[in-house]
Amino acid sequence: DTEVTQTPKHLVMGMTNKKSLKCEQHMGHRAMYWYKQKAKKPPELMFVYSYEKLSINESVPSRFSPECPNSSLLNLHLHALQPEDSALYLCASSQEWPSPPYNEQFFGPGTRLTVL
Amino acid sequence: TQLLEQSPQFLSIQEGENLTVYCNSSSVFSSLQWYRQEPGEGPVLLVTVVTGGEVKKLKRLTFQFGDARKDSSLHITAAQPGDTGLYLCAGSPYAGGTSYGKLTFGQGTILTVHP
Repeated sequence: DTEVTQTPKHLVMGMTNKKSLKCEQHMGHRAMYWYKQKAKKPPELMFVYSYEKLSINESVPSRFSPECPNSSLLNLHLHALQPEDSALYLCASSQEWPSPPYNEQFFGPGTRLTVL
Repeated sequence: TQLLEQSPQFLSIQEGENLTVYCNSSSVFSSLQWYRQEPGEGPVLLVTVVTGGEVKKLKRLTFQFGDARKDSSLHITAAQPGDTGLYLCAGSPYAGGTSYGKLTFGQGTILTVHP
């Protein structure tokens, strides 16, 4: 199984809502990532978890709150988002972090988030 | 900060044509990956190159890593409409510095292959 799954596929929320994005992988990977991607642009790293511990927070606003309940699951809790937060949110995983030299990351299909 | 310059940014060609996408940097990378992304989907890993001068082939796609590990190219032979998508190169910096362990992405090439 080389798949990373993400739910929901699409999410529309108001600025006062609280919602969560979910990600799951069953490849035995110990590193998981959240990326934000705007249309026709490369992904931007938000968070890195290694062995269920937060290793990197790329100065992401606190309205985004990550959680790694176990090595297979990664959540992103959303609260009081702004319209400019509308984007494709991608989850990825890799065997380890960092994992030179290959550092291969496998991405999920993403959640298309629209903030009204 | 390590940068990857990817070119061209847009490519619109007819089915059957050949094309090459380039990723260049002044920095050395320990490896470089190429991804393809279709609209509304996540990037799919196509290949990882690690050794300077390495050439890998995936059906009609040929990937090359420069001898100095600073640049890479993707060549597609006889492009098909199914090749349409966003192509991303991503490099892994060497140890040391704040970028270690992170992927440095190129800006992407939007390829459209017309039937």
